[in-house]
Order: sequence, then C-alpha cells, then structure tokens
Amino acid sequence: QVQLVQSGAEVKKPGTSVKVSCKASGYSFSSFGMTWVRQAPGQGLEWIGRIGPYGANIKHAQNFHDRVTMTTDTSTNTAYMELRSLRSDDTAVYYCANGPNENFFDWWGQGTLVTVSS
Amino acid sequence: DIQMTQSPSSVSASVGDRVTITCRASQNIGDWLAWYQQKPGTAPNLLIYSASKSYNGVPSRFSGTGFGADFSLTISSLQPEDFATYYCQQAYSFPRAFGQGTKVDIK
Repeated sequence: QVQLVQSGAEVKKPGTSVKVSCKASGYSFSSFGMTWVRQAPGQGLEWIGRIGPYGANIKHAQNFHDRVTMTTDTSTNTAYMELRSLRSDDTAVYYCANGPNENFFDWWGQGTLVTVSS
Repeated sequence: DIQMTQSPSSVSASVGDRVTITCRASQNIGDWLAWYQQKPGTAPNLLIYSASKSYNGVPSRFSGTGFGADFSLTISSLQPEDFATYYCQQAYSFPRAFGQGTKVDIK
C-alpha cells in the first residue's frame, strides 16, 4: 500500500526558509518522480513543481522559479521541497503527490501547513 | 503556459440531482486531463484520468468526457458524500495547472 507521509506543521517568519519532507513507502521510490502542490487557506490548488525519477528533469512553476529547491534522498525514500524568502502569501498547506503515471496524481501526502507570520 | 478555467465556480444541488462541471483549457490538450475531488481538511482524490477513464474504486455515477480543450465531469445522481470541491488538471505540458475549483454544496 502506497503511503506518502509528510513532516509536521511549521511556523516561519518572513524572509526565512522552510523545508518540507515527504517519506514514501509501498513503491519503488527512485523509479518515480514527486510533485509538489500547495493550497492557500480557502483557495484552490497550485502546482509548484516536480522532480523526476532519480532526481532528474526538474520542472517548476515560474512563480517559484528562483525560490524553490526540490530534492530526493533514495537512501531514505524521502522527497524534500525547500522554499526560500518566505512571504505571508506563502502561507498554505503543501502537498506531495505522485502516481504510477506521473501525469496524474493517485497518491497524496496528508499535507503540511506552513504559516508565515511575523 | 496552459490556463484551465472551470465553470461554474459553485453549484447548489440536491441529493439525486445530475450535476455537470465544465473545464476549458487555453489550448488543445488532447485527453491529458484529470478530475479530483477534495473534501475540507483532506488531500484531493483522483476521480478521472485521461479525460474519461475512471480511477480504481470510483463510483460509476462519476463520468468524464471531452477532448481537445473542452471537458466535463458529470455526477449522474448526487449522493450526500459527493458534496465537495472538484478540480480539473491538465497533464499535457509543464507547468501543470489546475482549474480554480467548483464547489458542490447542498441546496
């Protein structure tokens, strides 16, 4: 059974960074990429980016292009998403998501609430 | 970048009603489209992929149609557990994009 388990909620000050983790189990981690999506309070889903199999072929939305870093650690089957220079409008629930067909997202983490506040 | 536009943004309906949500892409995306259902406080769940293929275990009352730029999700007979927000998502190219969501609530 596939599970994506994310790290816990974070409270950060503006200008700092946050690193969210997503530990995968139940499938061959290195053979699939990982996608990151966020959802601001009361808002819709926003695609952040995706890291491909073996940590290659990284894509991200232009909105985040110089502030986000996505990595994977195959020794622990964990994906990471770091967002820098945090602003109040980065307050959101951040999800990792995946699927055997990487175009569509069968599997989702439980979400990590990141609150940016002074 | 491809933009996804859903309509309506919200719909009020009763149990047993037929509900149709539409999604329009800003360019031709073939059948590279998925639909998700999201309930408050939980992650989205995949309902439909490749525009019209039902994901494992999704009730048959959910169906998807469309190709190119215009798509729709239909719930043939709304059940109490279907009150939620629905999103479309294009998988034709990067960056991926979601529609803004359609909230289905109780009339």
